[in-house]
Amino acid sequence: DTGVSQNPRHKITKRGQNVTFRCDPISEHNRLYWYRQTLGQGPEFLTYFQNEAQLEKSRLLSDRFSAERPKGSFSTLEIQRTEQGDSAMYLCASSLGGGSGDTQYFGPGTRLTVL
Amino acid sequence: LAKTTQPISMDSYEGQEVNITCSHNNIATNDYITWYQQFPSQGPRFIIQGYKTKVTNEVASLFIPADRKSSTLSLPRVSLSDTAVYYCLVGVRTNAGKSTFGDGTTLTVKP
Repeated sequence: DTGVSQNPRHKITKRGQNVTFRCDPISEHNRLYWYRQTLGQGPEFLTYFQNEAQLEKSRLLSDRFSAERPKGSFSTLEIQRTEQGDSAMYLCASSLGGGSGDTQYFGPGTRLTVL
Repeated sequence: LAKTTQPISMDSYEGQEVNITCSHNNIATNDYITWYQQFPSQGPRFIIQGYKTKVTNEVASLFIPADRKSSTLSLPRVSLSDTAVYYCLVGVRTNAGKSTFGDGTTLTVKP
């Protein structure tokens, strides 16, 4: 399968714990995006990378959230001191970037439940 | 940011053509229009993208009038498996954070 993959698919944690999610983009894609989606809403942009550089962050990305993309390949999204309001689906997408190929392709998401 | 407005829900029957319209009155010159389909507990799946006039692929057509303030996704001969949420996304292809998803249109296809 050459699509975007995300791990884990589901995560249940207790309030106050730290969690980390991983995203593996399509191999030739140099752009990688993170979104958050709550029930009944469309995806909300969190941040995006061009290769290893984090170029944009949403106001939704509080100090407890951090994302990295070492070496411009996979990316991790960490949430520290989780709160119940962090419960959501976290989606990753990737795209070629620039020119005519900037369509975003999404992974299956990681569903986070904070108890 | 270009805000989009879509109907919250639509019903159809198998075999019918479905047209979902998205309004984007403040679309910018460089913005493209992209439609995604999303099933429960899955990530959005790209359907079609366009800038103006008409675009057609193997699954859908996208109609964009000259003023580009709206767009219509056309799904020919829908089946039960087309029941999903459809999102219209407007944004500059090379400016990722400036694209915003609305709340989508829930399409229910009935037998």
